[in-house]
Amino acid sequence: QKEVEQNSGPLSVPEGAIASLNCTYSDRVSQSFFWYRQYSGKSPELIMSIYSNGDKEDGRFTAQLNKASQYVSLLIRDSQPSDSATYLCAVKRGPRRGGADGLTFGKGTHLIIQP
Amino acid sequence: GAVVSQHPSRVICKSGTSVKIECRSLDFQATTMFWYRQFPKQSLMLMATSNEGSKATYEQGVEKDKFLINHASLTLSTLTVTSAHPEDSSFYICSARLLAGGRGETQYFGPGTRLLVL
Repeated sequence: QKEVEQNSGPLSVPEGAIASLNCTYSDRVSQSFFWYRQYSGKSPELIMSIYSNGDKEDGRFTAQLNKASQYVSLLIRDSQPSDSATYLCAVKRGPRRGGADGLTFGKGTHLIIQP
Repeated sequence: GAVVSQHPSRVICKSGTSVKIECRSLDFQATTMFWYRQFPKQSLMLMATSNEGSKATYEQGVEKDKFLINHASLTLSTLTVTSAHPEDSSFYICSARLLAGGRGETQYFGPGTRLLVL
């Protein structure tokens, strides 16, 4: 089982609509969750972080976390063509002995906003 | 947001040579930096954690003698790809961890270095 799973898409959404991106993770002790946006050929840029169950809103973006279901989602309201990118879900792993302490990324969902 | 720079942005080298990539946090101090690698159409894979003043911690399957990491100061980490081969061609991205108190922390990514080994 992959540690962080995302539907690779492409996910096509009309301009102005809500884009919904989903992610599941396998490590139950994970505590920190992040959404990054990556344009082609560029490095990821942070959109949101979420640590507690429930919703967290920031402008047009809402992150949702359900630790019982091991599920994280990102909603983008009023989608714009500039939102077209690959969205990466990242999970900070639980503590482990002797291991590196970084993020585990999903493969990303390619989002296309149609004008 | 915090700014992380990388240099060079792109490098082409011959097989067997060594390449050094620098990662700098410009407006904050980072006791911990991370090195990732991304192959085409793949996600970012963590290679190692770079800790200021101590040895780096490598992910399973990453050769520490091939990918030398030095975290000499609170704002600089370097990754040296030794004796590079074509299969090392990839997009290398560093990140620096900014601690915000409590359990809040965020990794800010550099712009990446695209390595092509001929």
